[in-house]
Amino acid sequence: DTEVTQTPKHLVMGMTNKKSLKCEQHMGHRAMYWYKQKAKKPPELMFVYSYEKLSINESVPSRFSPECPNSSLLNLHLHALQPEDSALYLCASSQEIWTGGAYEQYFGPGTRLTVT
Amino acid sequence: KNEVEQSPQNLTAQEGEFITINCSYSVGISALHWLQQHPGGGIVSLFMLSSGKKKHGRLIATINIQEKHSSLHITASHPRDSAVYICAVDGDNTDKLIFGTGTRLQVFP
Repeated sequence: DTEVTQTPKHLVMGMTNKKSLKCEQHMGHRAMYWYKQKAKKPPELMFVYSYEKLSINESVPSRFSPECPNSSLLNLHLHALQPEDSALYLCASSQEIWTGGAYEQYFGPGTRLTVT
Repeated sequence: KNEVEQSPQNLTAQEGEFITINCSYSVGISALHWLQQHPGGGIVSLFMLSSGKKKHGRLIATINIQEKHSSLHITASHPRDSAVYICAVDGDNTDKLIFGTGTRLQVFP
């Protein structure tokens, strides 16, 4: 199974709502990533988890709160978002983070988020 | 100047044509990735390479480490190849991919 799944596929939320995005992989990967992608732009890294611990936070606003409850699951909790946060949110996983060698990243299909 | 540059930005082709997309980078790397993204969709990893050449079906990727340049070739292009192709590199001593801005390919029947 080389699949990364993400739910929901689409999400519309108001600026006062609280919602969560979910990502799951069963490849035994120990690194998981959240990216944000605006239209016609490349993905921007938000967070990296390695062995269920937060390894990288790319100065993301606190209204985005990641969580890695176990090695297969990655969540992104959303609260008090702004309309400019509307984007495609992609999850990815890899065997490890960079440790002297590179690893292929496997991406999920993304959650298209609209903030109204 | 971006650390990863792709050319062309946009490309149209007739079905059956041979297509080349180029990627140049200015940093030391441990690997280079070619990714494909269909409209509105997730990203699929096509190749990860650190030297030489790889082939998968109609797709061929090459890299020249000395010249810091990679190419993605598509032989016998098909409308289903229409997508954005993204070059990304693993920089030396980094946990992060550095992405190019992508090449938007449209193949017409």
